[in-house]
Amino acid sequence: GAVVSQHPSRVICKSGTSVKIECRSLDFQATTMFWYRQFPKQSLMLMATSNEGSKATYEQGVEKDKFLINHASLTLSTLTVTSAHPEDSSFYICSASGPNSYNEQFFGPGTRLTVL
Amino acid sequence: DAKTTQPPSMDCAEGRAANLPCNHSTISGNEYVYWYRQIHSQGPQYIIHGLKNNETNEMASLIITEDRKSSTLILPHATLRDTAVYYCIVRGGIQGAQKLVFGQGTRLTINP
Repeated sequence: GAVVSQHPSRVICKSGTSVKIECRSLDFQATTMFWYRQFPKQSLMLMATSNEGSKATYEQGVEKDKFLINHASLTLSTLTVTSAHPEDSSFYICSASGPNSYNEQFFGPGTRLTVL
Repeated sequence: DAKTTQPPSMDCAEGRAANLPCNHSTISGNEYVYWYRQIHSQGPQYIIHGLKNNETNEMASLIITEDRKSSTLILPHATLRDTAVYYCIVRGGIQGAQKLVFGQGTRLTINP
């Protein structure tokens, strides 16, 4: 299957700072990317859907001003957690689909964010 | 998207077939059944999907009942590396751009 990478894999930051997480599709053009958050022992929760070149669509209850998503190219989407707080500590996972991927989304390995 | 119901946990002996059930009684005619799994601290991995016919690939088989209200994922010869959380998801259409809504899944433990 296609490969999706995330960077960094782990990040620790101080409360009040901003953190940027990158999601890249390595061998296909990702017209749509998704961002999920997963707390310990819980399932994945979809945060937002982004289509290349347009604004992201956020799920209900997700603050768009706090979780900034940019999908400026067909191979890169970024999630910026602004003014991070300890409750933002979580596992953030992206997935991507391309114009020809009719059957599945390809998931990245995830980024573990810890806010002190 | 229709909701799914899965047992929270299951155990299976290594080398045996693992049969994971999923109920999706409110599925509608154009909705597909997808299975993903998530090994600890990794991103989910696609396994298989189907509409109404049984499907098989190199990883697993998917058996969908005739009324489509339930399905079973079969791992024919489970190994320790199959220990993971398995998610059954119902999604309208097959376009990759359509979102997946994850439930709680089944935590499958393969025992030596």
